[in-house]
Amino acid sequence: QSVLTQPPSASGTPGQRVTISCSGSSSNIGSNTVNWYQQLPGTAPKLLIYRDNQRPSGIPDRFSGSKSGASASLAIRGLQSEDEADYYCAAWDDGLNGCVFGTGTKVTVL
Amino acid sequence: QVQLVQSGAEVKKPGASVKVSCKASGYTFSGYYMHWMRQAPGQGPEWMGWINPQSGGSSYAQKFQGRVTMTRDASISTGYMELSRLTSDDTAVYYCARAGDFWSGHFDYWGQGTLVTVSS
Repeated sequence: QSVLTQPPSASGTPGQRVTISCSGSSSNIGSNTVNWYQQLPGTAPKLLIYRDNQRPSGIPDRFSGSKSGASASLAIRGLQSEDEADYYCAAWDDGLNGCVFGTGTKVTVL
Repeated sequence: QVQLVQSGAEVKKPGASVKVSCKASGYTFSGYYMHWMRQAPGQGPEWMGWINPQSGGSSYAQKFQGRVTMTRDASISTGYMELSRLTSDDTAVYYCARAGDFWSGHFDYWGQGTLVTVSS
């Protein structure tokens, strides 16, 4: 029942740049900020980007976020082996009056 | 440092209820809303609702209305999520998380997760 659509997978070699898209609607991304989470196997999601493009303390600047209209993107620059994880976007949905998450993207480092 | 520590794994029979706790430390408990999410095997996170630790007020996702109750005991900085009338579809890891902003999907700290298994 995910409202936000992401590609199921993305991949790159070490050092490459990878981007992940997140498509929503006017009731969520189009009118609210976007957040991104990284989830390593067997662990809780970890906040990576908040308010569209802000990084919490400790998150390397290799990770960046952007938004345009009802879509958002996460970019990983200088891909590293430890970046291999699942990535989820999330935003508030005014119509549902709740948070919605993306379908998730599995990033593989080749 | 901010920590959210959840209670241990549970195994429940269909039709039963489960109550998961989330003890907060390292920050002013009443100053941040607490949200609950769950994640079924192989799926993404699903938002369940929030509780205002200061007032006790709460709001739940439509899907869980009538079946979920979120409460808190501010004296011990602990939030609770109780889900009733369990079915096998409720088998999932349940997470509590601290909201960094209001109405934003911005959760800056998460608990370690509690696996709830529903099986006859």
